Amino acid sequence: EVVLTQSPATLSLSPGERATLSCRASQSVSIYLAWFQQKPGQAPRLLIYDASNRATGIPPRFSGSGSGTDFTLTISSLEPEDFAVYYCQQRSNWFTFGGGTRVEIK
Amino acid sequence: EVQLVESGGGLVKPGGSLRLSCEVSGLTFSVAWMSWVRQAPGKGLEWVGRIKSKSDGGTTDYAAPVKGRFTISRDDSKNTLYLQMNSLATEDTAVYYCTTDGYCSGISCYSGVDWGQGTLVTVSS
Repeated sequence: EVVLTQSPATLSLSPGERATLSCRASQSVSIYLAWFQQKPGQAPRLLIYDASNRATGIPPRFSGSGSGTDFTLTISSLEPEDFAVYYCQQRSNWFTFGGGTRVEIK
Repeated sequence: EVQLVESGGGLVKPGGSLRLSCEVSGLTFSVAWMSWVRQAPGKGLEWVGRIKSKSDGGTTDYAAPVKGRFTISRDDSKNTLYLQMNSLATEDTAVYYCTTDGYCSGISCYSGVDWGQGTLVTVSS
């Protein structure tokens, strides 16, 4: 099983700041990594697929990078609605999710 | 607009069974690959299983913790996905989400392109 480790567990930032979230895989997943956003009481929403492609309707302040075992989700300038929990998911070897990073208001 | 509406959740005793349904609209359901993803209270996301379209073989795949106990099926005439859950245990307590698979390449797709609102399953005596 591919284990995805997300860091940090919690990120405390202010609106307008840049957020950088990390996802590390226990073995190479090539580019087959996605990022999801989940707000309290809501279903997750797909943001990024294939490491760097934005899903339909996702604003350009969200970007992804990486390949192999190390991936990054960057939010260039945090909007109030971006404070949420973010999960990575790999589909290279079945499906697994990371444990999540909470982005909270500082 | 794609809409997924789950139903069938509730309280069940350990060892019991439950069937969840997911009614889908806004896409051609018969060609869609569909998945179930669950989330235990206060925890992260866990993929449960997937069913391919009949034109792609209609095969199912399951995560290890549910294999042999859960069965995914579909009724394309009703645009509905099902999750039959047997031999339920307390660790199966979770919100169960129905999702569409997409952004495919090669022989695989991502699970979780569109999501329902989820249905809560509580396994407790």
